[in-house]
Amino acid sequence: QQQVKQSPQSLIVQKGGISIINCAYENTAFDYFPWYQQFPGKGPALLIAIRPDVSEKKEGRFTISFNKSAKQFSLHIMDSQPGDSATYFCAALYTGNQFYFGTGTSLTVIP
Amino acid sequence: SAVISQKPSRDICQRGTSLTIQCQVDSQVTMMFWYRQQPGQSLTLIATANQGSEATYESGFVIDKFPISRPNLTFSTLTVSNMSPEDSSIYLCSVKTGGNTEAFFGQGTRLTVV
Repeated sequence: QQQVKQSPQSLIVQKGGISIINCAYENTAFDYFPWYQQFPGKGPALLIAIRPDVSEKKEGRFTISFNKSAKQFSLHIMDSQPGDSATYFCAALYTGNQFYFGTGTSLTVIP
Repeated sequence: SAVISQKPSRDICQRGTSLTIQCQVDSQVTMMFWYRQQPGQSLTLIATANQGSEATYESGFVIDKFPISRPNLTFSTLTVSNMSPEDSSIYLCSVKTGGNTEAFFGQGTRLTVV
């Protein structure tokens, strides 16, 4: 059973546009929701993360929106750049336990 | 933070052989994790490796197929045994720090079994 569902599988955005990736979860025990960015030939790297007591977190061009009642969270990339082209994974964790990862979204930003 | 060095970065192996992947961390960590990442799929946890004890395997993964060693707090190996083409995947080493919430990953080992 997939604990975290991620969509879309792939996304193509024009340079300067907004990229939006969505995730949904079922387990209300999750208390930490990170997003990871992975470039080809590299391991995933933490991009931004949020806890469920906050509805939004922004770091530069990257924003997480969190809807606790709907059990959904999303990553917004503002002013998308070709250098943002990568695979993005959402994840969920309850402290002290394992991470559960989404299936990944391949983002391509067209110049 | 943690810096993880994983070797080899890629390999092409004959079916029926075994490959050992090494993971070195620049700091002491209690738990190290091994994941498999198949194309278009999520990262799947294979096992958790604690120093001084047997690794804990997730459902669908067994020690005979994926033996793990954890000789000290900075190093671990994963062996993929008796390989078949279905084992072709990316294998990732990971550790958790930052109050047990932040995960760091090695660059991965891309394995192709022919």
